[in-house]
Amino acid sequence: QKEVEQNSGPLSVPEGAIASLNCTYSDRGSQSFFWYRQYSGKSPELIMFIYSNGDKEDGRFTAQLNKASQYVSLLIRDSQPSDSATYLCAVMVHYNQGGKLIFGQGTELSVKP
Amino acid sequence: DAGITQSPRHKVTETGTPVTLRCHQTENHRYMYWYRQDPGHGLRLIHYSYGVKDTDKGEVSDGYSVSRSKTEDFLLTLESATSSQTSVYFCAISEVSAAVAQPQHFGDGTRLSIL
Repeated sequence: QKEVEQNSGPLSVPEGAIASLNCTYSDRGSQSFFWYRQYSGKSPELIMFIYSNGDKEDGRFTAQLNKASQYVSLLIRDSQPSDSATYLCAVMVHYNQGGKLIFGQGTELSVKP
Repeated sequence: DAGITQSPRHKVTETGTPVTLRCHQTENHRYMYWYRQDPGHGLRLIHYSYGVKDTDKGEVSDGYSVSRSKTEDFLLTLESATSSQTSVYFCAISEVSAAVAQPQHFGDGTRLSIL
């Protein structure tokens, strides 16, 4: 079982709709969760991070965390064509000195005008 | 944007040659990381550093070495490059917090092709 799993997509939504991106993880001890956006040919860009169960909102983005179910999601409201990218879920696990990020393989999102 | 500069941005070289990639930061962050990104494998950690001269292996460290002689510079060396090391390499940095893990911020990447 992969440590961090995401649906690879592509996920296609119409402009203005809500895009829902999901991620599950295997390490029950994980405490920190991150969402990155990566445009084709570019580097990952941090969008959100969440540490506590529940929802965290930032503009059009909402991260949701359920540690009991080992599930983290990202909602994008009022999706725009500029949101078309690959979204990477990352989970921090303890590793020797400090921690390391384990990345899912990413979900490709396409927002159609 | 986090002050992270990777050099070179693109490199083509031949199998068996040594290659060094440089990551330079202006944020004075303690932690620095090297990842590779390949289709079908996502981002994988090669090595990381938790301070000057303090480094540790990641999940795909074979064939790679690193050095950190100054806070701002983290070097990744391929001693004898192989075609399997053709990839996009990203450097990342993060700050330290006793309470929670801090986000990592990425450089623009180096596209390395080994022929």
